[in-house]
This record gives sequence, structure tokens and C-alpha cells, in this order.
Amino acid sequence: EVQLVESGGGLVQPGGSLRLSCAASGLTLSNFWMYWVRQAPGKGLVWVSRIDGDGIRVGYADSVKGRFTISRDNAKNTLYLQMNSLRAEDTALYYCAKGGGGLMDVWGEGTTVTVSS
Amino acid sequence: QSALTQPRSVSGSPGQSVTISCTGTNSDVGAYNYVSWYQQHPGKAPKLMISDVSKRPSGVPDRFSGSKSGNTASLTISGLQAEDEADFYCCSYAGGNTFVFGGGTKLTVL
Repeated sequence: EVQLVESGGGLVQPGGSLRLSCAASGLTLSNFWMYWVRQAPGKGLVWVSRIDGDGIRVGYADSVKGRFTISRDNAKNTLYLQMNSLRAEDTALYYCAKGGGGLMDVWGEGTTVTVSS
Repeated sequence: QSALTQPRSVSGSPGQSVTISCTGTNSDVGAYNYVSWYQQHPGKAPKLMISDVSKRPSGVPDRFSGSKSGNTASLTISGLQAEDEADFYCCSYAGGNTFVFGGGTKLTVL
């Protein structure tokens, strides 16, 4: 069974950092584009970032560019999101998803990030 | 990277059909055939329902269909069932290795 499990969320002060992880099982991560999508409480889905199978091509939403870094360790079958200079508006449930060039077909259950003093 | 425009809510009775629109620009929806649709039940992760404008993944009922005309994509659900009640989101590739979601539409089955 294909499964994605996010971890690393928590409570952090504004300006702080967190690193999210997304561990994959039942699939070889290096074969797929991987995505991060977030959802603030009671709000809609917002695309955050994606990375290709080789870790070469990456993209970011304007709202996180320069603060967040997506990466992957194919040997560990794990996706990461390094989040720096966190702001209150980054508070959300963060999902990782596996996909193709233009779709996200398997999603994790998410990990919650709360930015507050 | 402005969000795609979706109606906040739509509704229909069991057995009826509903269509959810998703309007973007000629830089996203109008430029690429990478429009996907996701269903999200409360407290659950999103589920892919349509990819590449109109492709239905394995396991998704054929009651769900997608289309696109110009800068507007649409999701049509025919033969509404109670379990279809959920939030629906469109998503489009927007160039430069970026994507944009719509604001979401709440579907109510009356």
C-alpha cells in the first residue's frame, strides 16, 4: 500500500524554523514529482512547493520563496520542507503529496504547524 | 499567483447534476492542460478526482467529469449522491514550476 506520512510540525515562535519530513512507503520516491500543500484552519488548499524526482527542478509559491526550501533524500525515501523565518500566516496543516507533472494523486494526512508567540 | 476563482458553494438534489467552475487566466488554466480537481471531506486529506482537465483516475466514478474552455475549467458531477457532499478544489499549473489552487467550492447535497 502506498503511504505518505508527514512529521515535524509543532509550535514555533515567529521568526523561527522547522523542518517537515514526509516518509514514503510502498513506492520509490525518486520516480515521482513531490509536492507540499498547506491549508490554514478553516481555509482552502494552497500550493507551496514541488520538486522533481532527481531533486533538480524545484518551484515555490511567492509567499514562501526565499524562506522555504524543498529537498528530498531518495535513499531514505523521504521528502523535506525546511521552513525559516516563519510567520503567523504560515500556520496551517501541511500535506505532502506524490504526483506527476500536473497532478497530486497520493496525499498524506498532514502535519500541523503553528506559528505563535 | 492569484487563486483561481470558484463559486463558494453549489447544491443539488440526489440524482441531479451540478457543475463547478474554475476561472483562471491565460497564464494558468488557459495556457496549460494541467488542470486537476480534488475532493476533500471534513477532516480528511484531499483526493484526486480529475487530472489533465478531463482524465479520471482509476476508482473515481464516471459520474465525475472535467472539461475546459478558454480560461475556465469545469467539474461536472452527475447523478448526485449523498457521499459527494464535500469541498472541491481545482488546481492548475501556472508556469515556472508553480501551481495555483482555486478557493474551493462547498457542495451540498440537498
